[in-house]
Amino acid sequence: SQQGEEDPQALSIQEGENATMNCSYKTSINNLQWYRQNSGRGLVHLILIRSNEREKHSGRLRVTLDTSKKSSSLLITASRAADTASYFCATPGDGGATNKLIFGTGTLLAVQP
Amino acid sequence: SQTIHQWPATLVQPVGSPLSLECTVEGTSNPNLYWYRQAAGRGLQLLFYSVGIGQISSEVPQNLSASRPQDRQFILSSKKLLLSDSGFYLCAWSSLYEQYFGPGTRLTVT
Repeated sequence: SQQGEEDPQALSIQEGENATMNCSYKTSINNLQWYRQNSGRGLVHLILIRSNEREKHSGRLRVTLDTSKKSSSLLITASRAADTASYFCATPGDGGATNKLIFGTGTLLAVQP
Repeated sequence: SQTIHQWPATLVQPVGSPLSLECTVEGTSNPNLYWYRQAAGRGLQLLFYSVGIGQISSEVPQNLSASRPQDRQFILSSKKLLLSDSGFYLCAWSSLYEQYFGPGTRLTVT
């Protein structure tokens, strides 16, 4: 079953602008992760936010988590053409017992130079 | 440092032919291993995961199978491919929460 749903499905911005992607999930979680996938490549882990955290930063990335709304957002500031990729949120699939993840449908980000 | 390998990178196979995709991990011991499939423009579907040698859990009933003959080797197989098996197959490993992905195998069944 699909746990995470990203919004929007696709986003096109100009270099230098900020990009915001949202993720909604259905069940209680102890952490939420964001991954990036360049076209035709494997996924790369970006950031993990725990359920007791509301915001986390990593370089130009800012992730928020609202457990009451079961939603998370990923903000990429001062975007670059190299940020063009698909971005996925992922949540534990079985409460963390086996580290299984359920991935959302992804947001395709295109950054125009 | 840890490295994950997948091969082949691309594969074109006729319907009804067998399949064997291999994934190996270096630099870590007793990892959890995962096989995912990704249809074009879609999210990832977990196919199999393994917490140890010979321990395989299937997430989706289908004509695929997986095996883990060694601690850091994970194999995805099929006896007879279907057209619907086409897709991008990704192997991943984890030790804690994060997963680390291989480069993927693009499978086209014709």
